[in-house]
Amino acid sequence: KQEVTQIPAALSVPEGENLVLNCSFTDSAIYNLQWFRQDPGKGLTSLLLIQSSQREQTSGRLNASLDKSSGRSTLYIAASQPGDSATYLCAAQGGSEKLVFGKGTKLTVNP
Amino acid sequence: GAGVSQSPSNKVTEKGKDVELRCDPISGHTALYWYRQRLGQGLEFLIYFQGNSAPDKSGLPSDRFSAERTGESVSTLTIQRTQQEDSAVYLCASSLAGGGGYTFGSGTRLTVV
Repeated sequence: KQEVTQIPAALSVPEGENLVLNCSFTDSAIYNLQWFRQDPGKGLTSLLLIQSSQREQTSGRLNASLDKSSGRSTLYIAASQPGDSATYLCAAQGGSEKLVFGKGTKLTVNP
Repeated sequence: GAGVSQSPSNKVTEKGKDVELRCDPISGHTALYWYRQRLGQGLEFLIYFQGNSAPDKSGLPSDRFSAERTGESVSTLTIQRTQQEDSAVYLCASSLAGGGGYTFGSGTRLTVV
């Protein structure tokens, strides 16, 4: 059974810092790994999707990497801004095609 | 449509009443998922539809919960005899088959009073 873990559970940084959010998964037989952002009281916004054949994806200040062999993915946020404050969720999609979510990392970027 | 549409966005209901939540997926997305998120909690898988295959209902918490989907279009999630613990945001997502990534709707916030 796939399990997804996110570390840290919460992170507070000053504006302008570069930061890394970690995600690990137990079953390496995945189709893809997806990173989402969730603002309080809102739904999920997809940030980056990494297919199993890929090693990384980039969008603006965001870069996500995937290492299937070690069961890890990282989300790198460059030059963080207060508007980046949200909960970041990673999710692994495997053979059952269900997304299995981590519990998220709550990020606060202080002005 | 351009995105996944859910309705209503908010629903307040009295304990014991039935409610029906609607999800309209992205056109052409064969897979559709329902998740539940209680306040301050993570996402809880409820049910998964893929094309004409039998749905995966393994996440439904009780027989008060049911869901239907007609072909590759709209899905409805029905909760009968609602209880206060059913209060949550119910999220719907759709995707192309074969790992194309999920798109989520904005959710329905259900409050049972």
